[in-house]
Amino acid sequence: QKEVEQDPGPLSVPEGAIVSLNCTYSNSAFQYFMWYRQYSRKGPELLMYTYSSGNKEDGRFTAQVDKSSKYISLFIRDSQPSDSATYLCAMSRIKAAGNKLTFGGGTRVLVKP
Amino acid sequence: GAVVSQHPSRVICKSGTSVKIECRSLDFQATTMFWYRQFPKQSLMLMATSNEGSKATYEQGVEKDKFLINHASLTLSTLTVTSAHPEDSSFYICSAPGLTGATNEQFFGPGTRLTVL
Repeated sequence: QKEVEQDPGPLSVPEGAIVSLNCTYSNSAFQYFMWYRQYSRKGPELLMYTYSSGNKEDGRFTAQVDKSSKYISLFIRDSQPSDSATYLCAMSRIKAAGNKLTFGGGTRVLVKP
Repeated sequence: GAVVSQHPSRVICKSGTSVKIECRSLDFQATTMFWYRQFPKQSLMLMATSNEGSKATYEQGVEKDKFLINHASLTLSTLTVTSAHPEDSSFYICSAPGLTGATNEQFFGPGTRLTVL
């Protein structure tokens, strides 16, 4: 079993819809959670960074963490075709610059105009 | 945010040759950098952690003699794929931790696509 599970998709939604993404994990030691967006043949870019349980909102993006269920989510409101990309969740146990991240497999999202 | 560059963006080489990929932090110093490999439609697989001034730490199953890592300075890490074979064809991406060191965000380079003929 992988440490972090993520549905590969593709997830296809019409423009303007809410995109709902999630990851489950097995290691209860994870405390720091991130969401990255990766366009085809590009490096990932950081979208959201959260610590422990709770919600965080940034513009059209909302990240939720439920540590009791080992479940994290990312919601994208008013989705645009430019949101079409692969979304990767990532997490780590400690807060240290040299600490490596554990990634989910990524969910491919297609927003149709 | 922090900017990480990679060079080259794409390389095609013959089987048996060696290829060097550079990863640079452009506006900050990075004592640690990470090297990942990504196959089509798959997630990032961490290969090794590059440490300035010391040896790299390789993940299980990654051949250290095949994938040579040198962290020459606080802004440059290089990955050399030695005696490359077609199965080494992949997308190689580096990353560096955030500016302050107070978080464990990582900033990624644009990636290098390696094709071995």
